[in-house]
Amino acid sequence: QVQLQQPGAELVKPGASVKMSCKASGYTFTSYNMHWVKQTPGQGLEWIGAIYPGNGDTSYNQKFKGKATLTADKSSSTAYMQLSSLTSEDSAVYYCAREDYWGQGTTLTVSS
Amino acid sequence: DIQMTQSPSSLSASLGERVSLTCRASQDIGSSLNWLQQEPDGTIKRLIYATSSLDSGVPKRFSGSRSGSDYSLTISSLESEDFVDYYCLQYASSPLTFGAGTKLELK
Repeated sequence: QVQLQQPGAELVKPGASVKMSCKASGYTFTSYNMHWVKQTPGQGLEWIGAIYPGNGDTSYNQKFKGKATLTADKSSSTAYMQLSSLTSEDSAVYYCAREDYWGQGTTLTVSS
Repeated sequence: DIQMTQSPSSLSASLGERVSLTCRASQDIGSSLNWLQQEPDGTIKRLIYATSSLDSGVPKRFSGSRSGSDYSLTISSLESEDFVDYYCLQYASSPLTFGAGTKLELK
């Protein structure tokens, strides 16, 4: 069965970067786009971007260009999202998702 | 960006009742709309894809339809596990955009 495994939580200091992971199993990793979505109480659900692990092609929401970088490791079937120059505005739940399956989300807390 | 206006933001209903939630697209999205369900623990599940196709394992009391730029999710007879949050998602155009959500509450 398709599974997308994400760490439950990350705690990072302001100004730092974080690299979140999403380990895929149960399907051919290189054949499906992997999307990343941010959820906050104020802004709701926001699409950050997507990567096609088969060839590394990426597509970003203009709002998150410069903030998020999407990569994928075919050898471990893991997608990554790096967020840089973190502020409190980046505190949120971040989901990875295939078109039809979603991970459980990683809660990012940016705090000193 | 395409705006998805979802209504109502909250809905109070009874067990067994029939309810409909709606998303209105600001531009033509054709049939490129999904409905998602979010549980209180954050778990997100896709219920409907391409406006009206039911995902595998989703109960048949859920259905999706379109009328012009209005897209609807209908639950024919509410069960206790249906009282959670619902979102629409358009994927016709980048960036993908979501509705603001509907919280379904037990009356």
